[in-house]
Amino acid sequence: KNQVEQSPQSLIILEGKNCTLQCNYTVSPFSNLRWYKQDTGRGPVSLTIMTFSENTKSNGRYTATLDADTKQSSLHITASQLSDSASYICVVSTSGSARQLTFGSGTQLTVLP
Amino acid sequence: GAGVSQTPSNKVTEKGKYVELRCDPISGHTALYWYRQSLGQGPEFLIYFQGTGAADDSGLPNDRFFAVRPEGSVSTLKIQRTERGDSAVYLCASSLNAGGSGYTFGSGTRLTVV
Repeated sequence: KNQVEQSPQSLIILEGKNCTLQCNYTVSPFSNLRWYKQDTGRGPVSLTIMTFSENTKSNGRYTATLDADTKQSSLHITASQLSDSASYICVVSTSGSARQLTFGSGTQLTVLP
Repeated sequence: GAGVSQTPSNKVTEKGKYVELRCDPISGHTALYWYRQSLGQGPEFLIYFQGTGAADDSGLPNDRFFAVRPEGSVSTLKIQRTERGDSAVYLCASSLNAGGSGYTFGSGTRLTVV
């Protein structure tokens, strides 16, 4: 069964600090991995997307890494801001399936002043 | 439109009633997806449309759930004889075509069955 597991489930940090969120997956066949940010009451918004051959990708203060051998990904947030408070969802896409996306349960990040 | 629009944003209904949730995808996007998201969980797949046809409806939990996309644009998710367990946020997403890299989500409809 295709699964995406994220840790920690929730995280509280102070504004200005860095943090790293983890994602492990057992999805096959693998197509790509995405990180989404979901603000409360909103739909998920894409931060990064990485294919099998990509090890790292940055989007401003967000940097995602992918190790396709160990099936692990991380999302590193640098110099956190209050507006970073949201749920961060790891999503893995399978090729050859109309379902396309397997979602993790998300990490709820709270940034405090 | 500029984004995926879902209406209503919130819906409260009594157990046993019928509800319709609407999704207006980005213009020109042929692929449309419905997901259900419970509190503290990631979205769960319900149904996927390619054009007017449901290419995969295996995520629909039972026959009380049905979705249509008659003209290949707007889609309606229909829930009959609602139950309290149907309470969740129903998300719609669209992409230019199946397998496309860019999925755009709507803000969802929060359904509460009382």
